[in-house]
Amino acid sequence: DAGVIQSPRHEVTEMGQEVTLRCKPISGHNSLFWYRQTMMRGLELLIYFNNNVPIDDSGMPEDRFSAKMPNASFSTLKIQPSEPRDSAVYFCASSKRTGQRSGANVLTFGAGSRLTVL
Amino acid sequence: SQQGEEDPQALSIQEGENATMNCSYKTSINNLQWYRQNSGRGLVHLILIRSNEREKHSGRLRVTLDTSKKSSSLLITASRAADTASYFCATASQGGSEKLVFGKGTKLTVNP
Repeated sequence: DAGVIQSPRHEVTEMGQEVTLRCKPISGHNSLFWYRQTMMRGLELLIYFNNNVPIDDSGMPEDRFSAKMPNASFSTLKIQPSEPRDSAVYFCASSKRTGQRSGANVLTFGAGSRLTVL
Repeated sequence: SQQGEEDPQALSIQEGENATMNCSYKTSINNLQWYRQNSGRGLVHLILIRSNEREKHSGRLRVTLDTSKKSSSLLITASRAADTASYFCATASQGGSEKLVFGKGTKLTVNP
């Protein structure tokens, strides 16, 4: 398996532009997570999906951020309009949920998308 | 808000020495995991310890968990230069939530 695939790896854009980050999870994984990493705030969970359905989006900073998962093999994170404070590394991770309350959720991360908003 | 807080923030040791990193958390957990991140890369899962376990080993890694103190430690024995990376603890709250909340990490440098 190629692992979790994210694109683009690097994106430089100007303030106000729309940014779309893409993620292909591991085949067979049924949960998908979007995290954002900055020096100041560390790793923050933005949103996660289970079986393509958004379960918790409480970490999404504001309405400028949106995420979709149209099918089990693809998800997008969109920022519109982008602002300099959105500059960060955005990670996608996937896992296979066991369905048991005591089941552990081990994440496989992609390599990340480094976003710079000028 | 961050659940886990790693200590120290940075650690520099010589090859062959042991490295110990600590993690404290705030709420009751289902399990605690440690991840590693090499510079410019994604996080990689290292080891998981459940709330009813006190110690776990995997190769040169040893993890302990003290739920009464809400703390965990990661010990890397006989460190190598290739162990240079940032190490993060992540907690999953009780109740079956899939959410993993990460600390800010410990940056480990192993000098050859």
